[in-house]
Amino acid sequence: QLQLQESGPGLVKPSETLSLSCTVSGGSISNSRYFWGWIRQPPGKGLEWMGSMSYSGSAYYNPSLKSRVTISVDTSKNQFSLKLSSVTAADTAVYSCATTPRGYWYFDLWGRGTLVTVSS
Amino acid sequence: QSALTQPPSVSGSPGQSVTISCTGTSRDVGSYNRVSWYQQPPGTAPKLMIYEVSNRPSGVPDRFSGSKSGNTASLTISGLQAEDEADYYCSSYTSSSTYVVFGGGTKLTVL
Repeated sequence: QLQLQESGPGLVKPSETLSLSCTVSGGSISNSRYFWGWIRQPPGKGLEWMGSMSYSGSAYYNPSLKSRVTISVDTSKNQFSLKLSSVTAADTAVYSCATTPRGYWYFDLWGRGTLVTVSS
Repeated sequence: QSALTQPPSVSGSPGQSVTISCTGTSRDVGSYNRVSWYQQPPGTAPKLMIYEVSNRPSGVPDRFSGSKSGNTASLTISGLQAEDEADYYCSSYTSSSTYVVFGGGTKLTVL
């Protein structure tokens, strides 16, 4: 049973880079059936897809964030990561990793999410 | 403002049926059968309930059903149960550069 678990700092200073990892258990991140992605939810607000990547490097990003977002896959650690640069208070949100079956655009498995607060 | 429009709240009594609408445009809901629905009880991660408009993942009760007409998709929950109380989000593929858009969410209250 595939499971996802986010990890990373819960507090990031403005203008710095937010970095999170998602550990995949119960399966291999090299599974070509999936894209590995990130979705965030600011407190009290709705969901926002940030981007998704396959293990081979094909990536799709939300253009509203594209210049600041990087998703990468580390097959040796069975993890994928999110980097969001130049953060502001508006980037305070619960960040969740999620899987998307290749060729589709829904998210069939989610991590529990981790709250990241941007504050000095 | 979310790309897809959902009612902020709906409610129903146990045993009743409720329908949550999700209105988009011809660039998303109206042109693609790529609508999905997610259930999010308070403090938990979203759970996929419906994909590709009307398909249920394994383990999702058949009380949950999805449909689409024109630019509006709908999630219907029949035989409402207390455990169904949650926020529900719709999502769709879009031909715009954003690829995926979400609705603003609907809070379902079981009276």
